[in-house]
Amino acid sequence: NAGVTQTPKFRVLKTGQSMTLLCAQDMNHEYMYWYRQDPGMGLRLIHYSVGEGTTAKGEVPDGYNVSRLKKQNFLLGLESAAPSQTSVYFCASTLLGASYEQYFGPGTRLTVT
Amino acid sequence: SQQGEEDPQALSIQEGENATMNCSYKTSINNLQWYRQNSGRGLVHLILIRSNEREKHSGRLRVTLDTSKKSSSLLITASRAADTASYFCATDAGGQNFVFGPGTRLSVLP
Repeated sequence: NAGVTQTPKFRVLKTGQSMTLLCAQDMNHEYMYWYRQDPGMGLRLIHYSVGEGTTAKGEVPDGYNVSRLKKQNFLLGLESAAPSQTSVYFCASTLLGASYEQYFGPGTRLTVT
Repeated sequence: SQQGEEDPQALSIQEGENATMNCSYKTSINNLQWYRQNSGRGLVHLILIRSNEREKHSGRLRVTLDTSKKSSSLLITASRAADTASYFCATDAGGQNFVFGPGTRLSVLP
């Protein structure tokens, strides 16, 4: 099993550009999450999904959109990137929610200039 | 607002020593988890302790949970250089989400 994979690993965007981050998991997990991690801070939840076709907002959803068209994939979109979105983005999945351990992807380092 | 807060923010010890880090949280939880993050990597799950448990062991790791004080501690015994990483606690508050603290940076010096 590959576990949780993320593409791309690195990206540099100019302010106003858009992009989509892809997360894929092959563990048949129901729940998937997108976090951002900034220096000196823990992970902050952007959006999450409790199953195919469902999404919900987390702590810091503004400026991001998500889609979960297939159970194994969770996409994070930035429609108009801003320098404040410079961060490391992590995707995670878990079998059935917060009573189970999360499996994390390797992260995507995004810089917005 | 963050549910969990780790203490200390940073810790340096010699190889072979024990490392203790603490996590405090604000609201009632169903379980608490500890994760490790090596530099430039994703988080890796270490251990989960449920609200009705007081202590749990996994190899060189010992986790305690005191729900009356809303706190947990992670003890790493006989530390190794490979234990150098950031350690995070994550709590759930009855929902399906996790809330992470800012982490403790552990440096184990050879």
